[in-house]
Amino acid sequence: KAGVTQTPRYLIKTRGQQVTLSCSPISGHRSVSWYQQTPGQGLQFLFEYFSETQRNKGNFPGRFSGRQFSNSRSEMNVSTLELGDSALYLCASSLEGGGGTDTQYFGPGTRLTVL
Amino acid sequence: DQQVKQNSPSLSVQEGRISILNCDYTNSMFDYFLWYKKYPAEGPTFLISISSIKDKNEDGRFTVFLNKSAKHLSLHIVPSQPGDSAVYFCAALTSGTYKYIFGTGTRLKVLA
Repeated sequence: KAGVTQTPRYLIKTRGQQVTLSCSPISGHRSVSWYQQTPGQGLQFLFEYFSETQRNKGNFPGRFSGRQFSNSRSEMNVSTLELGDSALYLCASSLEGGGGTDTQYFGPGTRLTVL
Repeated sequence: DQQVKQNSPSLSVQEGRISILNCDYTNSMFDYFLWYKKYPAEGPTFLISISSIKDKNEDGRFTVFLNKSAKHLSLHIVPSQPGDSAVYFCAALTSGTYKYIFGTGTRLKVLA
């Protein structure tokens, strides 16, 4: 069974630009979550999608947005990039949203560098 | 407001000995706890989890202990192996919120 895939793996952008990251969940998984990892901050929850609906979101500005398609693939978008947006962006998928035996599996991440 | 805290940024242990990684939380609504391991340039990998109705869960060399009154959980790795060297994250979830809260991680180094 293929794992969670994220594209692109690496990205360099300049301040003010916008970026779109893509995540393909494990086949059959309908929940996709996004996290931002920066040094010293651990993984910060961005949002979670299930059946094309955002069910929860973290404390990030409105520049961060996402969506999920009918095939459960998800994208996240960051507009008006700032230097502080440089981070590893991780996507995770699970069957229904996690908990109990419903494990959340992570992709390898997209390393975004903002210059 | 860091609801899940890992106060030790790093830990070194001799091969064959026990590694104990600690995690504290503040939100009493959390009812599910997990540990993930992360190697450089890879996403976190699920290790072990525990429900709040239990105080211990074991899987091979890995055991997680939960002390709800102290709002504390720990991961024990016995015996530690060099391949266990990685960053370990604890995470917590309140059922129905679909929002995992992660700690900042502890870098474990197992010395051969």
